[in-house]
Amino acid sequence: EVQLVESGGGLVQPGGSLRLSCAASGFNFSDYWMTWVRQAPGEGLEWVATINEDGSEKYYVDSVKGRFTISRDKAKNSVYLQMHSLRAEDTAVYYCARDYAGVGFDIWGQGTMVTVSS
Amino acid sequence: QSVLTQPPSASGTPGQRVTISCSGSSSNIGSDYVYWYQQLPGTAPKLLIYNNNQRPSGVPDRFSGSKSGTSASLAISGLRSEDEGNFYCAAWDDSLSGYVFGSGTKVTAL
Repeated sequence: EVQLVESGGGLVQPGGSLRLSCAASGFNFSDYWMTWVRQAPGEGLEWVATINEDGSEKYYVDSVKGRFTISRDKAKNSVYLQMHSLRAEDTAVYYCARDYAGVGFDIWGQGTMVTVSS
Repeated sequence: QSVLTQPPSASGTPGQRVTISCSGSSSNIGSDYVYWYQQLPGTAPKLLIYNNNQRPSGVPDRFSGSKSGTSASLAISGLRSEDEGNFYCAAWDDSLSGYVFGSGTKVTAL
């Protein structure tokens, strides 16, 4: 079964750090770009970051540039989102998605909640 | 303020046709594919339409997409109660070097 499972969310103080993980299974992970999308409580979807198949290309939304880093580990079939200098406005459910070139985000995880609050 | 503009809501009686618009610019919809995602209450989003008008396997053919210039639209013909949820358009934006989503449209079956 093709599946993405996120983990690592939780409560963190403003200015803190957190690393999200997304474990992929059921498909050849190395063949696909991967993306993180977030959704603040009661709000719409916001693209956060994308990484290409071998990790050589990374793209970020302006609001997280310099604070978040997307990476991947081929051996662990996982993609990560390292988040630093967290702000209240980063509070959201973070979804991991498979980014199938020309098809869009065709597989989504269940999401992991990040709450930034003192 | 989202880069792609969608109406906040749309509604219809069961069986009716409902359309949702998505307005962008030359740097996103005007130069790249449009995608549509459906998010049912309490669930993760799901890909509904890709490459402007293609349906992934398993998506009913009552969902259809189209694009013209810098605008796109999603049509639901034969609205069902189980279609109720939020619908988002998305596209790659060449100026921003990233994906952009619409603000979302909440669809209600009256």
